[in-house]
Amino acid sequence: EAQVTQNPRYLITVTGKKLTVTCSQNMNHEYMSWYRQDPGLGLRQIYYSMNVEVTDKGDVPEGYKVSRKEKRNFPLILESPSPNQTSLYFCASSLQGVGEQYFGPGTRLTVT
Amino acid sequence: QKEVEQNSGPLSVPEGAIASLNCTYSDRVSQSFFWYRQYSGKSPELIMSIYSNGDKEDGRFTAQLNKASQYVSLLIRDSQPSDSATYLCAVKDRDYKLSFGAGTTVTVRA
Repeated sequence: EAQVTQNPRYLITVTGKKLTVTCSQNMNHEYMSWYRQDPGLGLRQIYYSMNVEVTDKGDVPEGYKVSRKEKRNFPLILESPSPNQTSLYFCASSLQGVGEQYFGPGTRLTVT
Repeated sequence: QKEVEQNSGPLSVPEGAIASLNCTYSDRVSQSFFWYRQYSGKSPELIMSIYSNGDKEDGRFTAQLNKASQYVSLLIRDSQPSDSATYLCAVKDRDYKLSFGAGTTVTVRA
């Protein structure tokens, strides 16, 4: 089954404790991206990766890191999480470019 | 930051009616436009993409694009209760970023 998977689906952590949210796709897609979704603000892009060689910032990259060492995986790293990073996070992928994206199930993160 | 604005909703329509959703964008060079549907507690799923001026129809959905007016819309004909969801307008800019509107929540009354 073609899909984008994220782990964990739910995470409660404390301020400053490094965490990684994994994202994997099995569709051989070149483009992958991370978004956060907050009430009233919609989806905002954090980072995107055109392919394994090109990664760039989205609109809200502060406090996040990403890594694209292989085509299928695109983990999101929070080196020192803060309460304002409490949000619903989505990973997405598309075959090429930023067009028609497939979204993962989401990760709900709470930072206390 | 590029802006994508959607009518705030919520939009309530009777079953069988047409639901009309509107979206405007600020970046004049945008070339690709998408409508995603998001059910409560679920992830967004793509329902329509449109790249050139005019109408594009797919089943009960019609997307309309007017680049001169920087306006894109989505019509849902013969609305069904299963269409009750939040609809997100998304616009691709020149830098391979995707900007989303805040979404319009549609409720179809049986």
